[in-house]
Amino acid sequence: GEDVEQSLFLSVREGDSSVINCTYTDSSSTYLYWYKQEPGAGLQLLTYIFSNMDMKQDQRLTVLLNKKDKHLSLRIADTQTGDSAIYFCAGPNSGYALNFGKGTSLLVTP
Amino acid sequence: DGGITQSPKYLFRKEGQNVTLSCEQNLNHDAMYWYRQDPGQGLRLIYYSQIVNDFQKGDIAEGYSVSREKKESFPLTVTSAQKNPTAFYLCASSTPRGQNYGYTFGSGTRLTVV
Repeated sequence: GEDVEQSLFLSVREGDSSVINCTYTDSSSTYLYWYKQEPGAGLQLLTYIFSNMDMKQDQRLTVLLNKKDKHLSLRIADTQTGDSAIYFCAGPNSGYALNFGKGTSLLVTP
Repeated sequence: DGGITQSPKYLFRKEGQNVTLSCEQNLNHDAMYWYRQDPGQGLRLIYYSQIVNDFQKGDIAEGYSVSREKKESFPLTVTSAQKNPTAFYLCASSTPRGQNYGYTFGSGTRLTVV
């Protein structure tokens, strides 16, 4: 299966930009995903990017994909306290399910 | 509104008991999945099902069992053989692979052994 690696913790000040990074190993990945999890809740799909794209922007979210380095990043502009959550990177494995990273805990301080 | 429902939200199990976690979806999704989440471990795949009456083991299937008798339902049984069942369990569903725009997750069941 595919390994998906993320840094575990990020702290930013309100109003700054947040950048969460992810690396993956499966070069055949077609879609790569970012999910958000708030405390005690399930995961919510934030955005996804197809492997033939380098960048995707959706309001405050920007996803960058570097296929050569197998590196995916999620940038959140003008980060708010409501953005505090765990963010998961995910990609398909060799079967039919998604592999998730361990999640990056984002803490936004006033 | 379409969605995926997990119940109960909290579940307590005594040592040696089997318990069943419910997962129901009305999204008309063919595929369903069970993940286990432990602090600092991320999500680990227990079982998945691509179609009714068929399911596959994931990375940590030992001590768990599932059934898929209906498209809408994918219950997970945590058996007494699972030595460390205390965790947060997440169910998800999706369209078949190749048309996959991501999973829809339920809100989770927190299982505690007492």
